[in-house]
Amino acid sequence: GAGVSQSPSNKVTEKGKDVELRCDPISGHTALYWYRQSLGQGLEFLIYFQGNSAPDKSGLPSDRFSAERTGGSVSTLTIQRTQQEDSAVYLCASSLARSRGDGEQFFGPGTRLTVL
Amino acid sequence: GNSVTQMEGPVTLSEEAFLTINCTYTATGYPSLFWYVQYPGEGLQLLLKATKADDKGSNKGFEATYRKETTSFHLEKGSVQVSDSAVYFCALSGRLYNFNKFYFGSGTKLNVKP
Repeated sequence: GAGVSQSPSNKVTEKGKDVELRCDPISGHTALYWYRQSLGQGLEFLIYFQGNSAPDKSGLPSDRFSAERTGGSVSTLTIQRTQQEDSAVYLCASSLARSRGDGEQFFGPGTRLTVL
Repeated sequence: GNSVTQMEGPVTLSEEAFLTINCTYTATGYPSLFWYVQYPGEGLQLLLKATKADDKGSNKGFEATYRKETTSFHLEKGSVQVSDSAVYFCALSGRLYNFNKFYFGSGTKLNVKP
């Protein structure tokens, strides 16, 4: 079946421009996550959506970052006025949210963002 | 709060050597524990998981046991192969306000030499 897809796979932009990154989760997955992975670093949690509940935005590094999830499916991560330190791979993951908290996360291939 | 700490890499081993990658966690309640692997040029994928104390997760020759008394979930493999070269991430899933939020360690890079 179809996995998590992300677009674009690569994005090069100039400092100060806005960018939008898209994530299509696995159909039926109620939980959706955004992470950032800088070169050689671990995963940095950004934001988490669960069903119709208010998202957990505690990981967003600044107010230049925002995300939305429309209709409980597709999500868009927007970075305004990009800075060079925003360069990283942005990963999206989805899962079935289970009461035992043991739902596996399925990751997309990521979007590599380069800010010149 | 919840957090995961794993040993820093890189870890370099010869083929057929024994592997241990340490992972300890801090959590409220009873989290589920996971190991994810990222092969070069690929996305993260689940390697194994354990959902309660004393459970052992296993896959592809890798094993990890959920130790509540030591709050650990160390990854082990008896004989590594070159194809195991990858970055390994330990993670936990907590239940906070009915959310299934994941917490990842910083990753440990494994290099296996022939």
